[in-house]
Amino acid sequence: KAGVTQTPRYLIKTRGQQVTLSCSPISGHRSVSWYQQTPGQGLQFLFEYFSETQRNKGNFPGRFSGRQFSNSRSEMNVSTLELGDSALYLCASSLTDRGLYGELFFGEGSRLTVL
Amino acid sequence: KNEVEQSPQNLTAQEGEFITINCSYSVGISALHWLQQHPGGGIVSLFMLSSGKKKHGRLIATINIQEKHSSLHITASHPRDSAVYICAVRGYGGSQGNLIFGKGTKLSVKP
Repeated sequence: KAGVTQTPRYLIKTRGQQVTLSCSPISGHRSVSWYQQTPGQGLQFLFEYFSETQRNKGNFPGRFSGRQFSNSRSEMNVSTLELGDSALYLCASSLTDRGLYGELFFGEGSRLTVL
Repeated sequence: KNEVEQSPQNLTAQEGEFITINCSYSVGISALHWLQQHPGGGIVSLFMLSSGKKKHGRLIATINIQEKHSSLHITASHPRDSAVYICAVRGYGGSQGNLIFGKGTKLSVKP
């Protein structure tokens, strides 16, 4: 069974640009969540999607957005990049049943550097 | 004060030692996760628990809901256990989708 796949693994952007990251969950998993990890703040929750609907959102500015497609693949977008957006972006998928969340399966992450 | 506190922040042990990492939280939770992150970034879920105790190989996780505290134990530690261990809690109801993370415990096991 294939794991969670994130692309691209590494990317370099300049301030003001935008970036789109992709996450393909484990087959059958309908919940996809996104996280930002920085040395200063650690891991922080960005948002979570289930069946193409955003169910939860963390405390991030509106420059951070996401969506989920009918095949459960998800993308997140960061517009007008700032230096502080340099981070490892992780996605995770899980099975949910009647609103209860299962174990998390993480992708390898996308490491974004903003110059 | 952070909603999820881990201790210690750093831990160095000799191979074979028994290790305990602690996690305290201040919010009501539906579940608690223990995660392992090796250098390079990949995160692996070790345990998800909402009560009692779970064991997997040399790893044991316990949780006390009344005291809002969980522990991760590693028996007979090995250099390959060297990693950052992260505690994360999941809320109730509408906030169930949110995970709140501890800052992590960096473990180094010396041969």
